[in-house]
Amino acid sequence: GDSVTQMEGPVTLSEEAFLTINCTYTATGYPSLFWYVQYPGEGLQLLLKATKADDKGSNKGFEATYRKETTSFHLEKGSVQVSDSAVYFCALSGGASKIIFGSGTRLSIRP
Amino acid sequence: DSGVTQTPKHLITATGQRVTLRCSPRSGDLSVYWYQQSLDQGLQFLIQYYNGEERAKGNILERFSAQQFPDLHSELNLSSLELGDSALYFCASSVKAGVYGETQYFGPGTRLLVL
Repeated sequence: GDSVTQMEGPVTLSEEAFLTINCTYTATGYPSLFWYVQYPGEGLQLLLKATKADDKGSNKGFEATYRKETTSFHLEKGSVQVSDSAVYFCALSGGASKIIFGSGTRLSIRP
Repeated sequence: DSGVTQTPKHLITATGQRVTLRCSPRSGDLSVYWYQQSLDQGLQFLIQYYNGEERAKGNILERFSAQQFPDLHSELNLSSLELGDSALYFCASSVKAGVYGETQYFGPGTRLLVL
């Protein structure tokens, strides 16, 4: 069945460092891909999405490109801030009703 | 703010009890989804309703049930609670019924603690 694998955390970076969180997926067909973010004590927020191959989703300085050839959707940000500290979830929606989530990556940014 | 509301925010109860979690979807959304987030199982899809009808089922226990009312709000009922049911329960909504790649918008969650 469909699945999402993302890098295990926690990831700790200094402010202004470059961020990459790896995400790969397995799916039949052509799923849509998402990154959701969960800030401490809050619910899930949609960060960005891409619906077809080579699409780039972007929001708040974060970017991810839908790579069909490598079945990947890595999250990147050029310069992280303390306020980016959160748990990040890669997810896919393949046509069924549910969204399939990765296990989440906890990101901590040191000032 | 996603526009999805959930009540209560926190719930503490005892084993064997029954609780009801409530969700109001975004204005105009017809689908409601329930998810459970626990430390050992991660985020798991439980069930979906579309315009009052059950549309899809995931890893939902028989002790759990849900419904969607004519005003489109939904309730998740958890009965005969066990310690392992302690988790964060999310509701999400979308406009349609799980159309390919449709975005789901999540509420803030209800944190359930079973003692």
